Amino acid sequence: QVQLVQSGAEVKKPGSSVKVSCKASGGTFRTYGISWVRQAPGQGLEWMGRIIPTLGIANNAQKFQGRVTITADKSTSTGYMELSSLRSEDTAVYYCAREDCSTISCQYYPYYYGMDVWGQGTTVTVSS
Amino acid sequence: QSVLTQPPSVSAAPGQKVTISCSGSSSNIGNNYVSWYQQLPGTAPKLLIYDSNKRPSGIPDRFSGSKSATSATLGITGLQTGDEADYYCGTWDSSLSAGVFGGGTKLTVL
Repeated sequence: QVQLVQSGAEVKKPGSSVKVSCKASGGTFRTYGISWVRQAPGQGLEWMGRIIPTLGIANNAQKFQGRVTITADKSTSTGYMELSSLRSEDTAVYYCAREDCSTISCQYYPYYYGMDVWGQGTTVTVSS
Repeated sequence: QSVLTQPPSVSAAPGQKVTISCSGSSSNIGNNYVSWYQQLPGTAPKLLIYDSNKRPSGIPDRFSGSKSATSATLGITGLQTGDEADYYCGTWDSSLSAGVFGGGTKLTVL
């Protein structure tokens, strides 16, 4: 049973950075893609980016270009999302989610299996 | 403004059926795989449907999905009060090289 466990809540000052981790247990990390999705208070889901660690492929949403860095450490089965130059509008719950790439190429068939396992979410509050 | 368009809300009585639409374009729904997610209050989203009409293990057959051209639909039959949640469609957008979601639909079971 695959589980994704995220790091704890963060409170940050405007202009600073935050790095959220997402540790996978169960399954085989090298067969995953890891996506990051955020949800501002009372708002919908917003896709931020995605990494396929075994292929070294990462995509970020245009909106976050230059501010978000998505990485993964295969040795510890952990994904990371770092967001810089934080502003109040970045206050949100940040989720990681798994994309199963074990039987299909996620590079050519993105989200064929959807995002099938989600982390519990990490609340990031940006406030002066 | 979301790339995929969903109605903000739908409602129906217990036991009835409801459908939720998701409209996109050829760069997303038309040529990629559609998923549907259920988000109960205060919880992480949960995958209901993948590849437009397939259910992961453990998802009851009351939930169904379909796709036609650049639109997708989620259907829920035998509505229960526990189905009250926000529902999101999602897919990949080949032009943006990015994942995209609909704005979400709040289901009320009257």
